[in-house]
Amino acid sequence: EIVMTQSPATLSVSPGERATLSCRASQSVSSNLAWYQQKPGQAPRILIYRASNRATGIPARFSGSGSGTEFTLTISSLQSEDFAVYYCQQYENWPETFGQGTKVEIK
Amino acid sequence: EVQVLESGGGLVQPGGSLRLSCAASGFSLNTYAVSWVRQAPGKGLEWVSTISDGGDSTYYADSVRGRFTISRDNSKNLLYLEMNSLRAGDTAVYYCTNVPHIGVIRGPKHYWGQGTLVTVSS
Repeated sequence: EIVMTQSPATLSVSPGERATLSCRASQSVSSNLAWYQQKPGQAPRILIYRASNRATGIPARFSGSGSGTEFTLTISSLQSEDFAVYYCQQYENWPETFGQGTKVEIK
Repeated sequence: EVQVLESGGGLVQPGGSLRLSCAASGFSLNTYAVSWVRQAPGKGLEWVSTISDGGDSTYYADSVRGRFTISRDNSKNLLYLEMNSLRAGDTAVYYCTNVPHIGVIRGPKHYWGQGTLVTVSS
């Protein structure tokens, strides 16, 4: 099983600042990685697929990069609606696995 | 407008059974592979099972293999998850979600429902 490790567990950021979230895979997942945003009481929402492709309707301030085992989600200028938990997910191999999440909170 | 709606959750005793259903509107669920993903209270996301668009291929997490069965009725645009021998560790919100690419089984998860809560407790 591919283990996905996200860091940090919690990120405190002021509105308007840049946020950088990391996701590491225990073995290569090529570019088969997605990022999701989840707010309290809501279902996850896909942000990024294939490591760097924004899903339909996702603002340009969200960007993804990386390949192999190291991936990054960057939010260029945090808006109030961006404070949430973010998960990465690999779909290179079965079982599909998620990271444990990074909570982005208001500083 | 696209909507995914899960149903069938509830309180069940350990060892009991439950069947979850998933319906979609605004898009044809039977065109895509569909997965169940669960989230225990206060915890992260866990992939549970996936079924191919035609229903001929199924995949399970080790934690549920042999106890859960995923199926679909494409004539009704419905997806199911039959859960048997339920344990306290199966307590979670169960989400139905699709892979947005035709013919692809593993992939990013696109449309999500609001989930249905399964509570296993005596």
